[in-house]
Amino acid sequence: AQKITQTQPGMFVQEKEAVTLDCTYDTSDQSYGLFWYKQPSSGEMIFLIYQGSYDEQNATEGRYSLNFQKARKSANLVISASQLGDSAMYFCAMREFSGSNYQLIWGAGTKLIIKP
Amino acid sequence: DARVTQTPRHKVTEMGQEVTMRCQPILGHNTVFWYRQTMMQGLELLAYFRNRAPLDDSGMPKDRFSAEMPDATLATLKIQPSEPRDSAVYFCASSDRPGRDQETQYFGPGTRLLVL
Repeated sequence: AQKITQTQPGMFVQEKEAVTLDCTYDTSDQSYGLFWYKQPSSGEMIFLIYQGSYDEQNATEGRYSLNFQKARKSANLVISASQLGDSAMYFCAMREFSGSNYQLIWGAGTKLIIKP
Repeated sequence: DARVTQTPRHKVTEMGQEVTMRCQPILGHNTVFWYRQTMMQGLELLAYFRNRAPLDDSGMPKDRFSAEMPDATLATLKIQPSEPRDSAVYFCASSDRPGRDQETQYFGPGTRLLVL
């Protein structure tokens, strides 16, 4: 069973509009962390934002925020005031804290294209 | 600005040849991951190390792949003999705060491997 689901293979958004990238996850752990990474066409994987399962508030990092809805098991990435440079693949990932496992479980990604 | 470095950035080789990829983790990071990314399979974890010891290499084809950390500043991934199906982008990542909740993996730029 897929543990991380990103339902949007691709999205087109007009520049300066806000963007929401969907991510749902499946875990029976009580403690886990959720991550978003950006992969531009140049290929590098860039860490954007982190949300812990026990965090009371939604994480924010500049124009990035995470809409964390624990009961729905969703961790959507919101990009405010999109820019052309936001065009990239975006990956959602989860780490379960049970045991000593350091692995991230990855979603398939969403390709975001910002239109001028 | 601390970064993970990888060499070479690009490698074209012929089937049957040995390929060695190198990674220098961020100074002070003691957990190192090797990933492979292809269009078909997405991002796959091949192996990871903590304090230079292999913790999990179950994602790696054992007959031809090997991963080592000769010292804390160098991780290597070798393929011998290489095959066309090994063509992919290979990422190294290192993480801080091992065992802590907000452990974040930081990725290198990747090695693009093409096996002819």
